[in-house]
Amino acid sequence: DGGITQSPKYLFRKEGQNVTLSCEQNLNHDAMYWYRQDPGQGLRLIYYSQIVNDFQKGDIAEGYSVSREKKESFPLTVTSAQKNPTAFYLCASSIREFNQPQHFGDGTRLSIL
Amino acid sequence: AQKVTQAQTEISVVEKEDVTLDCVYETRDTTYYLFWYKQPPSGELVFLIRRNSFDEQNEISGRYSWNFQKSTSSFNFTITASQVVDSAVYFCALSVNYGQNFVFGPGTRLSVLP
Repeated sequence: DGGITQSPKYLFRKEGQNVTLSCEQNLNHDAMYWYRQDPGQGLRLIYYSQIVNDFQKGDIAEGYSVSREKKESFPLTVTSAQKNPTAFYLCASSIREFNQPQHFGDGTRLSIL
Repeated sequence: AQKVTQAQTEISVVEKEDVTLDCVYETRDTTYYLFWYKQPPSGELVFLIRRNSFDEQNEISGRYSWNFQKSTSSFNFTITASQVVDSAVYFCALSVNYGQNFVFGPGTRLSVLP
């Protein structure tokens, strides 16, 4: 089945530690996205990538980094510079046309120890 | 700039009641797309429907229906005869042909009580 796989489902971070969230898709989509969702809040865009080896900052990129070395993979690193990383992180992908829906993974819940 | 407003933060209904979720959008573009997504407790957002700015026909899919009115910049979602399984957070989104494309509304949490 085609889809988006995020791992791990739950992740814990210690103070001063970087952690990487994995996102893999087998939908052959060019575009991929990372969103952050806080309790009772909507989705805020962290980074997006429309093509391999290229990515753009979203609304809340500070304290995060990404790479897009392969079409199917778009890992997100939450760095120690992100002072409030506790949130639910969602990865999405889509065909690179603005009329196409984004398809989402199951999410990763990150917490601070 | 684009904006999506979902004024209803939370709605509670009793099973079998009809419920309408409101979505109001802002954009200066004449060509755009509107979407609805459902986020059940498991967390994954599920795509429900897409509508383009040139098609104002209402759409019905089973118990779900959507009313798109350009005159009021609204794209409302109605669930008829609600069921407990409809309990979720529902997001409305707007997409335009440049930049980061998608703008999501803040979501409406629907609770359907047995």
